[in-house]
Amino acid sequence: GENVEQHPSTLSVQEGDSAVIKCTYSDSASNYFPWYKQELGKRPQLIIDIRSNVGEKKDQRIAVTLNKTAKHFSLHITETQPEDSAVYFCAASKLGNQFYFGTGTSLTVIP
Amino acid sequence: GAVVSQHPSRVICKSGTSVKIECRSLDFQATTMFWYRQFPKQSLMLMATSNEGSKATYEQGVEKDKFLINHASLTLSTLTVTSAHPEDSSFYICSARLAGEGGPYEQYFGPGTRLTVT
Repeated sequence: GENVEQHPSTLSVQEGDSAVIKCTYSDSASNYFPWYKQELGKRPQLIIDIRSNVGEKKDQRIAVTLNKTAKHFSLHITETQPEDSAVYFCAASKLGNQFYFGTGTSLTVIP
Repeated sequence: GAVVSQHPSRVICKSGTSVKIECRSLDFQATTMFWYRQFPKQSLMLMATSNEGSKATYEQGVEKDKFLINHASLTLSTLTVTSAHPEDSSFYICSARLAGEGGPYEQYFGPGTRLTVT
């Protein structure tokens, strides 16, 4: 089955700096890679996703890059704000079916 | 749009009893729903895929006789934890997809159910 690894497990940045979270996956057939943000005690919320037919996608301060050959994808958050503090999960999926999540990154943005 | 609800939000039960958790898509039809388990400060672990009108597909290592899944309609899937034990205590989250093959890939998550088995 699919195995998704995520690094780092914790990340602290100063407000205004950038944050980068990286994930690797094992199944070359995976073609959909969403990123979710989960605040304590709340449901995961999709923040950005990418399909395997593109290498990069951006939405305001958030971007995701995908390297299919190396089987890794990354989340980039620029100009971080305290409200960006949360746990972020990457996932890999085939055609939007079963999602296999990474282990999560706890991001803290220091004001 | 695309709201998923779960009931109950919290449940405490005694060891040996069974607990049913409901997952509903409120404003869309979901032919496929998914059930996840999340331990404190850990990731979401996929337990099973629930397909309307057919048997659920369980991930390796998940006991299908212990975690009974029923997807009786296009808006409701239920997870029953049978003969619950303290090690079953966890946060259970469901998700639903808007459409089948070829449709949007995004999954919408419910708010989760905190199960505590005493």
